[in-house]
Amino acid sequence: GDSVTQMEGPVTLSEEACLTINCTYTATGYPSLFWYVQYPGEGLQLLLKATKADDKGSNKGFEATYRKETTSFHLEKGSVQVSDSAVYFCALSRGSGYALNFGKGTSLLVTP
Amino acid sequence: EAGVTQFPSHSVIEKGQTVTLRCDPISGHDNLYWYRRVMGKEIKFLLHFVKESKQDESGMPNNRFLAERTGGTYSTLKVQPAELEDSGVYFCASSQDLVGNSPLHFGNGTRLTVT
Repeated sequence: GDSVTQMEGPVTLSEEACLTINCTYTATGYPSLFWYVQYPGEGLQLLLKATKADDKGSNKGFEATYRKETTSFHLEKGSVQVSDSAVYFCALSRGSGYALNFGKGTSLLVTP
Repeated sequence: EAGVTQFPSHSVIEKGQTVTLRCDPISGHDNLYWYRRVMGKEIKFLLHFVKESKQDESGMPNNRFLAERTGGTYSTLKVQPAELEDSGVYFCASSQDLVGNSPLHFGNGTRLTVT
C-alpha cells in the first residue's frame, strides 16, 4: 500500500541555519504530495504541495520538489527562524477523493 | 471564517468507559475526515463523510468506533468501550472539495488518554 517515510526527529537548528527534512514515498501511479505543518497548540496547516513530477511547491520560504525518479519530496528552507519551530508532516494522496497518507512527522526546534 | 472546531480538547477516561468526540467543520464544507495519531506513529485515516454519508470508512480500526454526521453538519466519533490502545490525538478535517482539489482544514485535535 501507499506509505510515506520521513526522517526521524527531533531536529534542532540555530536561527538562520539551512533546513532539509527528507521524505520518500511508496505509491502506485502518480500521487499528489504535500507538506503539512503543526505549530504548538494548533491544528495541521497545509504548507505546500506538488501534484506532478518536477513540480516545485513553495510557501513561507520553504520549498519541496516532486522527484519521481527518487520518489522523494524533501522539504528545504535556506534560513530558518525561531517561528518555524513546529512538527512537519509529509503526506501523499493517490488522487481526488482518496484520503491523505501521512508520515510520522518531524519535530523541528529552532533556537535563537 | 471560523475554522474547524473540536471538542473536547482533552479527555481522560478509564478503560471500558465511553467517550464521544465532536467536530464542527467549516460551514459549507461537505467533506469531513477523521484521523488519528497514536504517539510516535503516523497520522492514520479513519473515515470520510460526504455530507451525511460515509464515503470511506476503511480506516476505522474496529466496531468499537462509531462515527456519525447527522444532517451533514457536525460529526461525532464515539468509542465504546475504550481500550488502552485507543489513546492518541484525534483530528478532524474538512474541505470544500475532495482531497487534492482543495486543501484540508484541520481542527486542533482531541487528545484522548485511556487509563
